[in-house]
Amino acid sequence: DIQMTQSPSSVSASVGDRVTITCRAGQDISSWLAWYQQKPGKAPKLLIYAASILQSGVPSRFSGTGSGTDFTLTITSLQPEDFAVYFCQQADSFPLTFGGGTKVDIK
Amino acid sequence: QVQLQESGPGLVKPSGTLSLTCAVSGGSISSTYWWNWVRQPPGKGLEWIGEIYHTGSTNYNPSLKSRVTISMDKSKNHLSLNLTSVTAADTAMYYCARGEYNYAFQWGQGTLVTVSS
Repeated sequence: DIQMTQSPSSVSASVGDRVTITCRAGQDISSWLAWYQQKPGKAPKLLIYAASILQSGVPSRFSGTGSGTDFTLTITSLQPEDFAVYFCQQADSFPLTFGGGTKVDIK
Repeated sequence: QVQLQESGPGLVKPSGTLSLTCAVSGGSISSTYWWNWVRQPPGKGLEWIGEIYHTGSTNYNPSLKSRVTISMDKSKNHLSLNLTSVTAADTAMYYCARGEYNYAFQWGQGTLVTVSS
């Protein structure tokens, strides 16, 4: 199984801040990476796939970069609705695996 | 826009079988998508269970493979999950999701299953 490691596990930020979350894969996954957002009591929502492609309807303040083993999700100018947990997921090989999640909460 | 709705018993006894259904609306389950099951224990992360294609082809997580069956009923436009010999460790929110290229593009709202006597 490909292990996905996210950091930090939590981050406190204010509205308007820039937030960066990192995901590291246990082996080279090229660009086969997705980012999901999950709000309390809700299902995850796909934000970004193929490392950098923004899913339809997702605000442009979200962006993803990286390839190989190191990936980054950046939220520029954090909005109140962005406080949530974010997960990365590798799509390179089975079993599909997720990172442990990063909670973005209000400072 | 395809919508997914999970349903099934919220409580299953230890050593029993967990059986869930995911109803697909607004689209056909025979479309060229993979239909996935993902679970999330309370307060924890996400675990991919497996997936099925409209041809019936399946992929399973090896950690669960001996206990899992994913199937589909095209006449009812739904997919099903069966997980046998459950324990408390199988207590989780269970989600179905529409997949493409191993990404979960759309998710159901999930259904909570508790394993307890």
